[in-house]
Amino acid sequence: GAVVSQHPSWVICKSGTSVKIECRSLDFQATTMFWYRQFPKQSLMLMATSNEGSKATYEQGVEKDKFLINHASLTLSTLTVTSAHPEDSSFYICSARDPGGTRTDTQYFGPGTRLTVL
Amino acid sequence: LAKTTQPISMDSYEGQEVNITCSHNNIATNDYITWYQQFPSQGPRFIIQGYKTKVTNEVASLFIPADRKSSTLSLPRVSLSDTAVYYCLVGDFSNDYKLSFGAGTTVTVRA
Repeated sequence: GAVVSQHPSWVICKSGTSVKIECRSLDFQATTMFWYRQFPKQSLMLMATSNEGSKATYEQGVEKDKFLINHASLTLSTLTVTSAHPEDSSFYICSARDPGGTRTDTQYFGPGTRLTVL
Repeated sequence: LAKTTQPISMDSYEGQEVNITCSHNNIATNDYITWYQQFPSQGPRFIIQGYKTKVTNEVASLFIPADRKSSTLSLPRVSLSDTAVYYCLVGDFSNDYKLSFGAGTTVTVRA
């Protein structure tokens, strides 16, 4: 099946620094990728939709200037958490949509990135 | 996207069948029903998808009654490794393909 990778799998940073998380579709071209955030014991919350070659669409309440998303190619989307603070500590998960897939939604999820801001 | 309601948690024992029912009273004509499984500190994994009646694959079955206002995910003969959170999602996915995750059902399998 289709594989989505994320890098890094975990990262610890100091407050005020920026962190970049990569999401790659390894064996298919993803025209659309999604970024989610999940706090402990909670469900996934969609942050933004990323379309290749265009600006990301952010969900209500998500600061676009803080969470910069770039989808420069059909296999790579990046999420940069700028000036990270402890409250940004969370599990960040990306998913990629395979337009050639057989299922109606055909979204494949990455393994997630654990961000800890000290 | 249609709102879904699932039990918060379910307990079971190894070898038993686990059935998780999801209510989606406002399901639309074009909506599909999809179930995902998530282990701690991992991304969700697709389990099964259906539109009506019954769908079966190598890991689960999905039962959907004629009115489609609910659906039941059936996990046959669970093992300890099936302990996870299971999410029911409903949507036509034909527009922007956004997925809206509810609280999910935490299934705990005991020896």
